[in-house]
Amino acid sequence: NAGVTQTPKFQVLKTGQSMTLQCAQDMNHEYMSWYRQDPGMGLRLIHYSVGAGITDQGEVPNGYNVSRSTTEDFPLRLLSAAPSQTSVYFCASSYSGLAGVDEQYFGPGTRLTVT
Amino acid sequence: KNQVEQSPQSLIILEGKNCTLQCNYTVSPFSNLRWYKQDTGRGPVSLTIMTFSENTKSNGRYTATLDADTKQSSLHITASQLSDSASYICVVSARRSNFGNEKLTFGTGTRLTIIP
Repeated sequence: NAGVTQTPKFQVLKTGQSMTLQCAQDMNHEYMSWYRQDPGMGLRLIHYSVGAGITDQGEVPNGYNVSRSTTEDFPLRLLSAAPSQTSVYFCASSYSGLAGVDEQYFGPGTRLTVT
Repeated sequence: KNQVEQSPQSLIILEGKNCTLQCNYTVSPFSNLRWYKQDTGRGPVSLTIMTFSENTKSNGRYTATLDADTKQSSLHITASQLSDSASYICVVSARRSNFGNEKLTFGTGTRLTIIP
């Protein structure tokens, strides 16, 4: 089991460029989510998905798009990068995401810098 | 607004010593409380998950406590090792209204450094 994998590990973008952060999990988890982590702040939820074909917004969704065509993959798209999107991005997955005690597994993160 | 506050922000202790990290929260409706360990440059890894009815939970040298009445939790690390150097993040889960999914509120973490 590779767990949750993310690519790339590092990325530098210019303002206005677009890119896709990749996330995949091999644990057959239904629930997947994207977070950003900024200095001095807790992780903040960007978007999440409760299963293939179903996505919803988190607390900071502006400037990001997601789709979930398969159970395994949950890419995060930056439409037009801005310096405010400089951050470390984490993808996470859990079995169901239901309000219970599902353990959440995090990927290794993608460090994004927008200049 | 749901909030999770952790203290101290940072802590330095000698290898072999014990330490306790604190977490206060205002989250409702409460579902569970988690402690994560995050090594530098890596994603968070779960240490413990506690529901409303659990007061104490251990994972090796890590022991978490929960007082749901006062909305406080602590993480006690016994006989610290150099590998314990990391950020420790308290996360409180509330039940969402739609799908019944959880909504997680993350603390900003305590940066723990163990020195030999």
